[in-house]
Amino acid sequence: AAGVIQSPRHLIKEKRETATLKCYPIPRHDTVYWYQQGPGQDPQFLISFYEKMQSDKGSIPDRFSAQQFSDYHSELNMSSLELGDSALYFCASSGAGRSSYEQYFGPGTRLTVT
Amino acid sequence: AQKVTQAQTEISVVEKEDVTLDCVYETRDTTYYLFWYKQPPSGELVFLIRRNSFDEQNEISGRYSWNFQKSTSSFNFTITASQVVDSAVYFCALSEALYNFNKFYFGSGTKLNVKP
Repeated sequence: AAGVIQSPRHLIKEKRETATLKCYPIPRHDTVYWYQQGPGQDPQFLISFYEKMQSDKGSIPDRFSAQQFSDYHSELNMSSLELGDSALYFCASSGAGRSSYEQYFGPGTRLTVT
Repeated sequence: AQKVTQAQTEISVVEKEDVTLDCVYETRDTTYYLFWYKQPPSGELVFLIRRNSFDEQNEISGRYSWNFQKSTSSFNFTITASQVVDSAVYFCALSEALYNFNKFYFGSGTKLNVKP
């Protein structure tokens, strides 16, 4: 069965650079969630999209932005990167809103900021 | 306030021992979902179980079992006859059904070390 795809899997950037993480949800899933997991921490919710509209927002820095496209894939754009942005970024997808408890997580993108 | 509490930061056991990972949650919703995920050193989140708030029946899957008690807001996870391959960080998570788009609240995780 198709799973959530995230690219790239690993990314190394320098301070003040920008990064773009991509997420391709499971086919027919219309909701995407982004989570950030710092070293030794639990995943923290950043933002979610349903039908290309932002549906919820968590502790996402103003330097970050995200969107969901017409094909339901999502991109997380991160600017002015800081050392503290080094983390594992998970994308999850689910079906229509009411079944959003069935979230499927991607393998994650490991971002290292040097 | 933390919605999901995993008080055990790290547990070390010897192979073949039984181990229980504790999870206590907090919610005002009557409908919610509880999850356990395993995160091996490679980093991916491996789904183990999902439970809804109306189903308090305990579940057993091989060496894994889960004890859900609404009266104490706990959803504990037991590994019987632990193996070295069980070594990982285990996360308990909560999803509330009040809204349609339900983010997950994760506990801080319990690192399990199983020694041969």
